[in-house]
Amino acid sequence: GAVVSQHPSRVICKSGTSVKIECRSLDFQATTMFWYRQFPKQSLMLMATSNEGSKATYEQGVEKDKFLINHASLTLSTLTVTSAHPEDSSFYICSAALLAGNADTQYFGPGTRLTVL
Amino acid sequence: RKEVEQDPGPFNVPEGATVAFNCTYSNSASQSFFWYRQDCRKEPKLLMSVYSSGNEDGRFTAQLNRASQYISLLIRDSKLSDSATYLCVVNKAWGSYIPTFGRGTSLIVHP
Repeated sequence: GAVVSQHPSRVICKSGTSVKIECRSLDFQATTMFWYRQFPKQSLMLMATSNEGSKATYEQGVEKDKFLINHASLTLSTLTVTSAHPEDSSFYICSAALLAGNADTQYFGPGTRLTVL
Repeated sequence: RKEVEQDPGPFNVPEGATVAFNCTYSNSASQSFFWYRQDCRKEPKLLMSVYSSGNEDGRFTAQLNRASQYISLLIRDSKLSDSATYLCVVNKAWGSYIPTFGRGTSLIVHP
């Protein structure tokens, strides 16, 4: 399957700092990338859908000024958690959509575990 | 009714058992369907796509029933390593990709 990388895999930061997470599709061009968050023992929660060259579409309840998404190229999307607080501690996962007609599929990055102290 | 519904389980089965999960979806215009597997503290990984004719990959068989709007996943001869959460994903748009995830079904295979 297609490969999606995510960096960093783990980050621990102090409250109030900003954290930037990168998501790259390594062997295909992804016009659409998704950002999810998952708290322990809970299901994936879609935060936003990011299309290359345009503003991200945020899900209800997700603050766009807190979670800044940039999708500058067909292979890179970034999520910046601004002024992170302990309640932002979570597992952040990106995915990239490989569009192939009726075989559209999304592939996930390995995730970033964020701990805010 | 939720867009995509799954029985959260957990399903507790012994090794070697056959287990089946169902996933129902509400949007009759949904176009493509997938099963993902997620291990604890890991990202989801694509298990298989689901086609109208059904498809099989080793011990795994996926079926689509458009009339009743559900997809199923059958696992034969369960292994301990099959223990995971199985996520149903439905793409509701033709020509673009708008996935909706189910909450997942937890499977525990015990010796």
